[in-house]
Amino acid sequence: GEDVEQSLFLSVREGDSSVINCTYTDSSSTYLYWYKQEPGAGLQLLTYIFSNMDMKQDQRLTVLLNKKDKHLSLRIADTQTGDSAIYFCADLSNDMRFGAGTRLTVKP
Amino acid sequence: NAGVTQTPKFQVLKTGQSMTLQCAQDMNHNSMYWYRQDPGMGLRLIYYSASEGTTDKGEVPNGYNVSRLNKREFSLRLESAAPSQTSVYFCASSEAGILAYHTGELFFGEGSRLTVL
Repeated sequence: GEDVEQSLFLSVREGDSSVINCTYTDSSSTYLYWYKQEPGAGLQLLTYIFSNMDMKQDQRLTVLLNKKDKHLSLRIADTQTGDSAIYFCADLSNDMRFGAGTRLTVKP
Repeated sequence: NAGVTQTPKFQVLKTGQSMTLQCAQDMNHNSMYWYRQDPGMGLRLIYYSASEGTTDKGEVPNGYNVSRLNKREFSLRLESAAPSQTSVYFCASSEAGILAYHTGELFFGEGSRLTVL
């Protein structure tokens, strides 16, 4: 079946930019989402991108989509300690698939 | 402003016991979902309900049953719990049906942590 993959861990210093990467295999994917999960909580939507877009920016968040390589990234500018969480890439087009989640640790 | 509510939040079971996880949403959403979250494996879809009265298997349905009691409520039952079912379970809902090609945003509950000894 189709899959969504992302690296499991990322550590950055406060004030740096964080880039979380995701790859997907379903070429018909049209809606790709980023969710954030804080400790002990459910998932909350951060942003999403439609396949006719290459980039979407929302305040400190920038999503880049490379359809040819089936690669999605989430950039967080000026990362803060409050951004420490698990970030999930999700393809909600067909099979409702989530990646394994990237645990972002922000060091002061 | 409840959104998606799951009960219980924590449960410890012995192997072979049964239990039901309850989920309710107050957003008048059509579709509801049950996921399990395991370390390093992300969220995997167990069952979903595209609309009231319908349920379908997801990626990992074995050992589980579901009931879409009405539009608001979607329960997940473990008939004979096994240690492999130790996990965090999330219920979610979406306005659009899963068969509508794009479900739109999924709204998640806070999770139910289940331990099977």
